[in-house]
Amino acid sequence: GAGVSQSPSNKVTEKGKDVELRCDPISGHTALYWYRQSLGQGLEFLIYFQGNSAPDKSGLPSDRFSAERTGGSVSTLTIQRTQQEDSAVYLCASSLQGTTSSYEQYFGPGTRLTVT
Amino acid sequence: GNSVTQMEGPVTLSEEAFLTINCTYTATGYPSLFWYVQYPGEGLQLLLKATKADDKGSNKGFEATYRKETTSFHLEKGSVQVSDSAVYFCALSDPGAYGNNRLAFGKGNQVVVIP
Repeated sequence: GAGVSQSPSNKVTEKGKDVELRCDPISGHTALYWYRQSLGQGLEFLIYFQGNSAPDKSGLPSDRFSAERTGGSVSTLTIQRTQQEDSAVYLCASSLQGTTSSYEQYFGPGTRLTVT
Repeated sequence: GNSVTQMEGPVTLSEEAFLTINCTYTATGYPSLFWYVQYPGEGLQLLLKATKADDKGSNKGFEATYRKETTSFHLEKGSVQVSDSAVYFCALSDPGAYGNNRLAFGKGNQVVVIP
């Protein structure tokens, strides 16, 4: 079946511009995660959604970052007033249920963001 | 929160050699442990997992055993192939708010297998 998809695959933007990154999770997966992969910091958790419950935003690095998940499916990560340190690969993952640790997460191919 | 530590630096070895990548963890409770692999130009894929102490995860000739007494989850393969060249990440579940089972990742190890 279809895996997690993300768009765009690459995004180059100028410093100060806003960007939106999209994630389509695996159908039926109720939990959705955003991570960031950068050279300096490795893989970092950003935000978690489970169904229609309140998200866990504890990993968002600043208030320039926000995310929403509409209808319990597609999610959009928005970065306002981008900075060069935001350059990274943004990964989305979904899992069948977020409340049991044995449910593995399936990752999308990522969006490579470059801020010039 | 929970965290993992992977051995530093890339690993270069010849085809058919034995591979070990060390991973140790710090955690409260009993996390699940994972190895993910990232092949060149591809996304992260789950390689294997273990959910409780003494469990052995295995896949594609790779193995790792959940060792609670040494807080380790070392990855091993007896005879590597060129196609195993990739970046390998150790990870564990790091529970957060609202049922969040986020993963905490190690820094990753680049493995290069030479023919």
